[in-house]
Amino acid sequence: GAVVSQHPSWVICKSGTSVKIECRSLDFQATTMFWYRQFPKQSLMLMATSNEGSKATYEQGVEKDKFLINHASLTLSTLTVTSAHPEDSSFYICSLDRGSQPQHFGDGTRLSIL
Amino acid sequence: RKEVEQDPGPFNVPEGATVAFNCTYSNSASQSFFWYRQDCRKEPKLLMSVYSSGNEDGRFTAQLNKASQYVSLLIRDSQPSDSATYLCAVTSGGSNYKLTFGKGTLLTVNP
Repeated sequence: GAVVSQHPSWVICKSGTSVKIECRSLDFQATTMFWYRQFPKQSLMLMATSNEGSKATYEQGVEKDKFLINHASLTLSTLTVTSAHPEDSSFYICSLDRGSQPQHFGDGTRLSIL
Repeated sequence: RKEVEQDPGPFNVPEGATVAFNCTYSNSASQSFFWYRQDCRKEPKLLMSVYSSGNEDGRFTAQLNKASQYVSLLIRDSQPSDSATYLCAVTSGGSNYKLTFGKGTLLTVNP
């Protein structure tokens, strides 16, 4: 069964809108979650590591003020794409760090900015 | 050199064929290795973890060669339902399973 719930699955917004994506752990208290982005025909690229109760760790080249991450509880991490533009259109996916077990991914959110 | 490189593909094979996917990684400190399957417009789903001794799950066999920094996946008797993109993923070390993915190889198995 699903261990990670991601919402929404599809978003279409006008340029300049801020979009919030939620990632919920359904059966595990996740102190660490990961946010990835995947452009068409490209690999998944890690954007940031979300840490419960502390600041996220961003990968090189990812703007922390553009992609706001909040991990306020052990079951929820959110990614907010602020003032989104067409170049932010992508597939955003979260995953859980379950310690010794491989990562499980959320269903992903397909973001389209017009 | 990219951290994780895979065969560019795509692979188009007839049903019943044996297919091999190759993956090389650049970080010699990598500790864990995985193959994920990704269907079009879907999230990646774990297919197999790859162990140093090699492991098999039904029609799927994974091999790891740490000396050559090489990971492989073999699919025997491929089925149309195996059609997907196969992603090689490697951890960058540590216990937090920070994964680096290859670009993936698209497989189409024709009935």
